[in-house]
Amino acid sequence: NAGVTQTPKFRVLKTGQSMTLLCAQDMNHEYMYWYRQDPGMGLRLIHYSVGEGTTAKGEVPDGYNVSRLKKQNFLLGLESAAPSQTSVYFCASSYSAGGSYNEQFFGPGTRLTVL
Amino acid sequence: SQKIEQNSEALNIQEGKTATLTCNYTNYSPAYLQWYRQDPGRGPVFLLLIRENEKEKRKERLKVTFDTTLKQSLFHITASQPADSATYLCALEGGYIPTFGRGTSLIVHP
Repeated sequence: NAGVTQTPKFRVLKTGQSMTLLCAQDMNHEYMYWYRQDPGMGLRLIHYSVGEGTTAKGEVPDGYNVSRLKKQNFLLGLESAAPSQTSVYFCASSYSAGGSYNEQFFGPGTRLTVL
Repeated sequence: SQKIEQNSEALNIQEGKTATLTCNYTNYSPAYLQWYRQDPGRGPVFLLLIRENEKEKRKERLKVTFDTTLKQSLFHITASQPADSATYLCALEGGYIPTFGRGTSLIVHP
């Protein structure tokens, strides 16, 4: 079991460029999440998905889009990158939510720098 | 507004002592509270979950308490070791999606 994997691990973009971050999980989890982590700000939820084909906005969704075409994959897109999106991005998955089995499994993170 | 507070200052303790980390919350009625460990450059790793009707939960050297009256959770590591040095995050779930605190850094000195 690879758990949760993220690609790429590092990326440098110029302002206005676009990119897609890929998250994959092999645990057959229904729920998947994208967070960003900035110094002093903790983990902030960008978007999440409660199942294949569904997505929802989190706390800080502006500037990001997501898609969950397959249960095992959750993609995070930046259409026009801005320096404020420089951050470490974490993907996570869980079996369920709102219950005892909702511990989240996190990926290793993607460090994104926007110049 | 809902708020989760964890001490932003690092906790420095001597090896062998008990480390106690605090998670306070306001304007929240969480059904569950979780604790995670995060090492530098890595994603958080789940440690323990405690329900609102549980006062205490233990796992090896870890103990978590949950006081819904005080709106506080305490996370204890007994017989701490330098390998316990990390940032510890609490996460509260009131209904659906957990919200994370900013974490407290623990440094255990040999």
